[in-house]
Amino acid sequence: EEQLVESGGGLIQPGGSLRLSCEASGFTFITYAIDWVRQAPGKGLEWVSAISGRRNNTYYADSVKGRFTISRDNSKNTVYLQMNSLRDEDTAVYYCTRDSGEHAFDPWGQGTRVTVSS
Amino acid sequence: DIQMTQSPSTLSASVGDRVTITCRASQSVSPYLAWYQQKPGKAPKVLIYMASTLESGVPSRFSGSGSGTEFTLTISSLQPDDFATYYCQQYKSYWTFGQGTKVEIK
Repeated sequence: EEQLVESGGGLIQPGGSLRLSCEASGFTFITYAIDWVRQAPGKGLEWVSAISGRRNNTYYADSVKGRFTISRDNSKNTVYLQMNSLRDEDTAVYYCTRDSGEHAFDPWGQGTRVTVSS
Repeated sequence: DIQMTQSPSTLSASVGDRVTITCRASQSVSPYLAWYQQKPGKAPKVLIYMASTLESGVPSRFSGSGSGTEFTLTISSLQPDDFATYYCQQYKSYWTFGQGTKVEIK
């Protein structure tokens, strides 16, 4: 079964840092880009960041550029999202998802909740 | 950046109704348009990709159409399991979601 599992969320103070992990299984990890998408409480989906498969090209939404860093360890089938200088508006459930090309984003992880609050 | 606008934001319907949701892009995104269904507390699930291709396992009452900048998701006969929020997404240039359409029980 193709699966993604996120971890690393929690409560953090404004200005703090957090690293999210997304572990994949059931497919050839290195051949796929992986994306992070977030959803603030009661709001819609917002694409956050992406990393390509083999070339490790990275992409960021303007709202997180310069604060978040995406990376991957293909030996561990894991993608990371390092989040620095966190703001209240970064509070959200963070999902990782596989960029399946024409098949769009599929599958998705279950999400990990990040709460930025003092 | 490509902007995606869905309408309506909320839709009240009854079981058996035919339901149509519209998604408009600020520039052409053909054919890179997907539709997702999300239920409370759950991750989104892809229903339609490449504007009109039904994802494996998705009931045939769901269909997608459109091209260029205007796309629609149609549910031919609404079922109890279909009450959820639906999002369109373009993936032609980076990735952008519409703001969502909540389908509620009338």
